[in-house]
Amino acid sequence: DQQVKQNSPSLSVQEGRISILNCDYTNSMFDYFLWYKKYPAEGPTFLISISSIKDKNEDGRFTVFLNKSAKHLSLHIVPSQPGDSAVYFCAASGAGGGADGLTFGKGTHLIIQP
Amino acid sequence: DVKVTQSSRYLVKRTGEKVFLECVQDMDHENMFWYRQDPGLGLRLIYFSYDVKMKEKGDIPEGYSVSREKKERFSLILESASTNQTSMYLCASSRLAGGGEQFFGPGTRLTVL
Repeated sequence: DQQVKQNSPSLSVQEGRISILNCDYTNSMFDYFLWYKKYPAEGPTFLISISSIKDKNEDGRFTVFLNKSAKHLSLHIVPSQPGDSAVYFCAASGAGGGADGLTFGKGTHLIIQP
Repeated sequence: DVKVTQSSRYLVKRTGEKVFLECVQDMDHENMFWYRQDPGLGLRLIYFSYDVKMKEKGDIPEGYSVSREKKERFSLILESASTNQTSMYLCASSRLAGGGEQFFGPGTRLTVL
């Protein structure tokens, strides 16, 4: 049973436009959510996170929105740049602060078109 | 700058061989993790450790074991490699109460023939 779902395996966006990546979760015990970016043949790198007590967190071009009632979060990238082309993973952790590992979605491959 | 290193970027082994994947972190993190990444499946947790000599099973521990003799080092062991263990293996570490942010190594692409 998948607890973190990224239903879009891929997404194509034009350079300069907004990229919106979506993530749904089923486990109501999750209280911390993270987005990771991964290039081929490299490890994932942390992008941005949000605690369940917040509904928005911004860091430069990246904003994460959390809707707890809908168990949904999204990552907005504005404006999208060619270097943003990568696989993006949504991840969640429970009350243990992530000490027992993160639960990852399957990833969304973002392609930024010139 | 924080760093997680893995002993090999690419590894080719034969079925039945014993395989050791090593991971070292220089951030004095308490928690360390091993994941595998497969196309269409995302990252899946194999084992994790929150202290020296402590280990806990993740979601897919079958066919694997781990060792943590020192705080900075976490090893993944495939006792008898099989072809279905061909995968990208990723090591990560985090602080004890870090809220979940994990720092990943570059990964080891293991091929079992």
